Amino acid sequence: NAGVTQTPKFQVLKTGQSMTLQCAQDMNHEYMSWYRQDPGMGLRLIHYSVGAGITDQGEVPNGYNVSRSTTEDFPLRLLSAAPSQTSVYFCASSPYPGSGNTIYFGEGSWLTVV
Amino acid sequence: SQQGEEDPQALSIQEGENATMNCSYKTSINNLQWYRQNSGRGLVHLILIRSNEREKHSGRLRVTLDTSKKSSSLLITASRAADTASYFCATDFKGDTGNQFYFGTGTSLTVIP
Repeated sequence: NAGVTQTPKFQVLKTGQSMTLQCAQDMNHEYMSWYRQDPGMGLRLIHYSVGAGITDQGEVPNGYNVSRSTTEDFPLRLLSAAPSQTSVYFCASSPYPGSGNTIYFGEGSWLTVV
Repeated sequence: SQQGEEDPQALSIQEGENATMNCSYKTSINNLQWYRQNSGRGLVHLILIRSNEREKHSGRLRVTLDTSKKSSSLLITASRAADTASYFCATDFKGDTGNQFYFGTGTSLTVIP
């Protein structure tokens, strides 16, 4: 049972490039989400999904796109990378929030935009 | 922002002492959870307290919740060097577009051997 798997672990991008951070979970969780973590800022919610085909914006969605075509996968796309998107990104999954369910996190993806 | 805040931002104590960190949040919640993050790693779940509970224990952890003050505290007793990590509170609540999880800004705990 792998839990939540994120790839890549590390990535360096040039300004304007695009890329996709991959996230997969094997726990059949309905809820998946992406956070970014910056020093002194805690974790901020980028996008989340409550099931296949359903996504919505979190606190800081600008510059990011998501899709949820399957229960297992929730990729995060950076369309045109900017230095302000340099951060550590965490994918998380959970049974539906509101029921006291634990959130399971991936190990993080370190992204640097130069 | 719906984000909560932990207090203090950083805490340094001697091994064996107790560590207390606080979390404040902004909206009515269903549950509040505490998570731990070791340097360079993902977050790991520690304990959950429901909105109708006031106190909960798990091993050396004690969590309290005061919904009238929209605040929670996490107490780690008899701290160990291995407790050195960042600690985050997370709330789940019903937002405009469905239930969501939000995290606080974290408390960085250093336990000195």
